[in-house]
Amino acid sequence: GQSLEQPSEVTAVEGAIVQINCTYQTSGFYGLSWYQQHDGGAPTFLSYNALDGLEETGRFSSFLSRSDSYGYLLLQELQMKDSASYFCAVRALYQLIWGAGTKLIIKP
Amino acid sequence: EPEVTQTPSHQVTQMGQEVILRCVPISNHLYFYWYRQILGQKVEFLVSFYNNEISEKSEIFDDQFSVERPDGSNFTLKIRSTKLEDSAMYFCASSEAGGYGYTFGSGTRLTVV
Repeated sequence: GQSLEQPSEVTAVEGAIVQINCTYQTSGFYGLSWYQQHDGGAPTFLSYNALDGLEETGRFSSFLSRSDSYGYLLLQELQMKDSASYFCAVRALYQLIWGAGTKLIIKP
Repeated sequence: EPEVTQTPSHQVTQMGQEVILRCVPISNHLYFYWYRQILGQKVEFLVSFYNNEISEKSEIFDDQFSVERPDGSNFTLKIRSTKLEDSAMYFCASSEAGGYGYTFGSGTRLTVV
């Protein structure tokens, strides 16, 4: 079967750093993506890792270890607007296989 | 910034009726997709479309579903005979390269009654 595991909910304080982990088990793997989704909104692309290592885009970084079937999204200098659900998704050729999402709750 | 446009934003239909969901992908993107998200659940892949043909489809995308690119700009999803369990948010997406860097539309909330 195909599965992605990520925590259902994470709570952090404004200005802090938070890491959202994702482990996957899929029959095909071309890369790991992260998407942000605010309530009722469309998913927004954050990052994509095809190779091992860290990718940095502003306050957000994403890491991949293909040998461990593991990745994480790191959010720094948290702002209230970062409150949303974050999804990891494995690229299996053209389609994305999605995790169930992590709801990030930010407290002032 | 370029957008993927979906219409309508909401659609209510009776069980057994046909619906067509419409999408205008970003103009220089080559890959098009339909995904759905049942309320509170994860996003599920339906179909990908490239070079005027389906490149991949999921088990959800059975004979009741079809996609079409009738002209150079629109990309449509048709559900022939809707069921209650088809109620979901349907997202269209497009990308320059296959499989990543998607831009999603705002979605069509389909309610089957």
